[in-house]
Amino acid sequence: QKEVEQDPGPLSVPEGAIVSLNCTYSNSAFQYFMWYRQYSRKGPELLMYTYSSGNKEDGRFTAQVDKSSKYISLFIRDSQPSDSATYLCATESNDYKLSFGAGTTVTVRA
Amino acid sequence: GAGVSQSPRYKVAKRGQDVALRCDPISGHVSLFWYQQALGQGPEFLTYFQNEAQLDKSGLPSDRFFAERPEGSVSTLKIQRTQQEDSAVYLCASSLYQDPSSYNEQFFGPGTRLTVL
Repeated sequence: QKEVEQDPGPLSVPEGAIVSLNCTYSNSAFQYFMWYRQYSRKGPELLMYTYSSGNKEDGRFTAQVDKSSKYISLFIRDSQPSDSATYLCATESNDYKLSFGAGTTVTVRA
Repeated sequence: GAGVSQSPRYKVAKRGQDVALRCDPISGHVSLFWYQQALGQGPEFLTYFQNEAQLDKSGLPSDRFFAERPEGSVSTLKIQRTQQEDSAVYLCASSLYQDPSSYNEQFFGPGTRLTVL
């Protein structure tokens, strides 16, 4: 069993819709939870990270972590065609090793 | 400023050939990581350097994989006797330092796409 499981895609939504992405993880020792965005033929880039449980908001993006259920979520409000990409959730163990989900490919239709 | 760069961006190898993939981390970054990303999957950890010391190579799939960072900056991932299952994107990442008491962002390069025929 992988340490991080991510809801499979792909997701296709109309412009302006809310995008909801989810992951679960198995290791209760994880402290940092990240969301990366990866465009085609590019490396992942960090969108935001959360420490422990709680919510974090950055513009149109909101990340949520529920450590009691080992559940990670990312919400994108007012989605734009430029948000079309693969979104990867990740957790950090051993203070450096990132464990990634498989990624969800999102397409925002104009 | 310059980000993490990797070369070549694309590499085609015949099965059995040796390949060498290069990573130039962000200047001054102490920590360097290699990840392997198979098609349709998330990156998987391969190995970790702090300066020139390889502190973790637990993710290297076999003894055909070897990584080095002799002067604590540029790193090379070498794969000997390539197999078809080695086909993947190899990503390099660097971070300024690894402080267990705080978050240390890893910055990723664009990757090298390796295809083994």
